[in-house]
Amino acid sequence: GQQVMQIPQYQHVQEGEDFTTYCNSSTTLSNIQWYKQRPGGHPVFLIQLVKSGEVKKQKRLTFQFGEAKKNSSLHITATQTTDVGTYFCAGNTGGFKTIFGAGTRLFVKA
Amino acid sequence: DAGITQSPRHKVTETGTPVTLRCHQTENHRYMYWYRQDPGHGLRLIHYSYGVKDTDKGEVSDGYSVSRSKTEDFLLTLESATSSQTSVYFCAISSGTSNTGADTQYFGPGTRLTVL
Repeated sequence: GQQVMQIPQYQHVQEGEDFTTYCNSSTTLSNIQWYKQRPGGHPVFLIQLVKSGEVKKQKRLTFQFGEAKKNSSLHITATQTTDVGTYFCAGNTGGFKTIFGAGTRLFVKA
Repeated sequence: DAGITQSPRHKVTETGTPVTLRCHQTENHRYMYWYRQDPGHGLRLIHYSYGVKDTDKGEVSDGYSVSRSKTEDFLLTLESATSSQTSVYFCAISSGTSNTGADTQYFGPGTRLTVL
């Protein structure tokens, strides 16, 4: 079945350092979504990418969708303590089911 | 936050007992989902619903059943709870209006279930 792999599982950074999480799908995706979950909270939608090679930015966050629509990345520039949490990618191949990656948990040391 | 509530928020039960979790939405969204979250596994889809009385299985549906008799309510039942079903359960909703596949999903606050 469809699988979405996400790496790394954990990342510890010093405040101000950059952070990147990567997502790879075993199949071509119609779109990919990114969510953030704060510790003890629920996942919250960040963004959706649809087009091949698409790049979107939200302040310090940059999201990319690969040309083959099988991989994606989230890059955070100059992390802050408010960036702490787990970041999930979620891939969709059509229909209304999405497959979530296992998530990357980000720790930021002040 | 979207209008989604889950009840109960915490539950401790014993192996072999039935358990029902409730998800209630006030957004009139068509699609509703039940996920479980376990360390190292992210969010795994248990069941989902695409309309009243219309449901389908997800990737980890064994041992779970669902019902949706009204647009606003989606129930998840563990017919005979086992320790492997100890988890955090999230309900999510989406409008189903996207023409590019899945819509944004809005998640409820979660239910922490412990099966002893």
